Amino acid sequence: SQTIHQWPATLVQPVGSPLSLECTVEGTSNPNLYWYRQAAGRGLQLLFYSVGIGQISSEVPQNLSASRPQDRQFILSSKKLLLSDSGFYLCAWSIEERGSFGSGTRLTVV
Amino acid sequence: AQSVTQLDSHVSVSEGTPVLLRCNYSSSYSPSLFWYVQHPNKGLQLLLKYTSAATLVKGINGFEAEFKKSETSFHLTKPSAHMSDAAEYFCVVSEPLSGGYQKVTFGTGTKLQVIP
Repeated sequence: SQTIHQWPATLVQPVGSPLSLECTVEGTSNPNLYWYRQAAGRGLQLLFYSVGIGQISSEVPQNLSASRPQDRQFILSSKKLLLSDSGFYLCAWSIEERGSFGSGTRLTVV
Repeated sequence: AQSVTQLDSHVSVSEGTPVLLRCNYSSSYSPSLFWYVQHPNKGLQLLLKYTSAATLVKGINGFEAEFKKSETSFHLTKPSAHMSDAAEYFCVVSEPLSGGYQKVTFGTGTKLQVIP
């Protein structure tokens, strides 16, 4: 069976510091991978999705970037965090109609 | 292009009364549709999914949803609300990209409040 791991669960970072959130998937090959953000009081927003190694599509312009160095690894990064980057970040995988979410990372930028 | 509209940002019901959370979708293909629930400070949990089989889908915790193609709707219902149902609910549509992959779009969410 497939499992998805996302870490850390919570993170407090100062404004201007870098960010790296990691997500890995086990038990499947060549999944689609996604990064979502849920800002306080708002719905989930798709940030990035990837259909293969090195292939990243960005849905919205922002202070963040994503990379997929390996088939089952998806990384969300920022060089300098902004206060507005605070939120709940979710990684997800899918293959056809199957998929699941990671447990999420709550990021607070102070 | 695909989109998902959750018609109510907040729904409030009394414990023991029916729940209706509305979702309309737009898709160029025959989509797969999902409902997820997110309890405070927890990750998303899949309630149910429709993938072109039976149009009435039964999920966990007594929830069910009916796929109505003519109305492009996938409303979530439960006959009797429980206090533990208070959470945020997301309607999700998934459709194929070129190359056999899927693109997933979330609705903006509906917060369900259950009043004792």
